[in-house]
Amino acid sequence: QSVLTQPPSASGTPGQRVTISCSGSSANIGRNYVYWYQEVPGTAPKLLIYRNNQRPSGVPDRVSGSKSGTSASLAISGLRSDDEADYYCATWDDSLGGPVFGGGTKLSVL
Amino acid sequence: QVQLQQWGAGLLKPSETLSLTCAVYGGSFSGYFWSWIRRPPGKGLEWIGDINRSGSTYFNPSLKSRVTISIDTSKSQFSLKLISLTAADTAVYFCARLYSARNQPWFDPWGQGTLVTVSS
Repeated sequence: QSVLTQPPSASGTPGQRVTISCSGSSANIGRNYVYWYQEVPGTAPKLLIYRNNQRPSGVPDRVSGSKSGTSASLAISGLRSDDEADYYCATWDDSLGGPVFGGGTKLSVL
Repeated sequence: QVQLQQWGAGLLKPSETLSLTCAVYGGSFSGYFWSWIRRPPGKGLEWIGDINRSGSTYFNPSLKSRVTISIDTSKSQFSLKLISLTAADTAVYFCARLYSARNQPWFDPWGQGTLVTVSS
């Protein structure tokens, strides 16, 4: 079982907006920044969001992140077929003394 | 542009030792922590551990007794060894640079990943 809880799947049609949730605790999300990664099968994970809501250069502004209390969310608007991927949240866990990840959410574009 | 390239054996038997190496190209090796992360089939990512240029290491407590991470600064490489393998260690293993402070899981870039299968 992953320390952070994500829904196993999400879906949307092209052009729609989809959100993916990530739930943790006061030992992790509640006190630390949240990061989001996209993993397209067969490729290395790619950073999408850092420090809760910041986008690295090259990530479009239709991708956004937010955090409230012990939960975080990733939103993708204007859904495209190439958004189909697995998405992982990550943060630091003060109890573990290391980074923890969610179980991943498989996004399908119908 | 920093790039990571990793290699190692992909098919191992139970009780054997996993050995992977990751080479860093195109950037500074110092000033960062270098990490290993794995993803078992159908499961989420799991942090294994990391090391810095000075050889300081940190490990996931669940794997600490079986893991060694070492570094060769002369070659800009770092390596992972995991002993006493079981089927539960079957996973895609990634190396990555920890871009920011240790308490911020900002991994960028990543290696291409190595599928390690443990089977008799």
